Amino acid sequence: SSELTQDPAVSVALGQTVRITCQGDSLRSYYASWYQQKPGQAPVLVIYGKNNRPSGIPDRFSGSSSGNTASLTITGAQAEDEADYYCNSRDSSGNHLYVFGTGTKVTVL
Amino acid sequence: QVQLVESGGGLVKPGGSLRLSCAASGFTFSDYYMSWIRQAPGKGLEWVSYISSSGSTIYYADSVKGRFTISRDNAKNSLYLQMNSLRAEDTAVYYCARGPGAMVTFDYWGQGTLVTVSS
Repeated sequence: SSELTQDPAVSVALGQTVRITCQGDSLRSYYASWYQQKPGQAPVLVIYGKNNRPSGIPDRFSGSSSGNTASLTITGAQAEDEADYYCNSRDSSGNHLYVFGTGTKVTVL
Repeated sequence: QVQLVESGGGLVKPGGSLRLSCAASGFTFSDYYMSWIRQAPGKGLEWVSYISSSGSTIYYADSVKGRFTISRDNAKNSLYLQMNSLRAEDTAVYYCARGPGAMVTFDYWGQGTLVTVSS
């Protein structure tokens, strides 16, 4: 199965912008989705498709993609955005499997 | 509102079996694909299996193929995961999730149930 690679950790000053990236061969063919997970809680979908936000997700979250890299951007990060973020996509092998990224811990300073 | 509630987790010895359940409400269960996704303690997310809305199409991650069986009962709005030949590396929180959707989405998740495989 293919892999999706993320930076382990990033930090951002309160109110500033942070971009989280996800790299993998499958992203050349399939969209990535992004999930936010806070300690002790289930993941929450924040971005899917080209750049779509589920109802209730603030518009400071946005997504983009180029080649084998998908990105999640938080514009004007808030304290409550401190969390782990995971990307996910389909496996590039055509086996109808799904993969998650390695996860990025976002710290808001 | 959409609710997914997992149950059935617990402590089991290596080689043992366990059956997880997920009760769904707040949406037309029979219209959606459903999945199990797990997270080992302190680790990332791992997709385990999905089942199509009718139950006719099923896929598994290589790590559980041949040991785990996913199923659903649309009349009871329930999803199941039968786990056999359990190993220590199967220790994780198991989440029930709605999806995958058309755009590779798992849009709603339950709170998870912890499975611990230990002697």
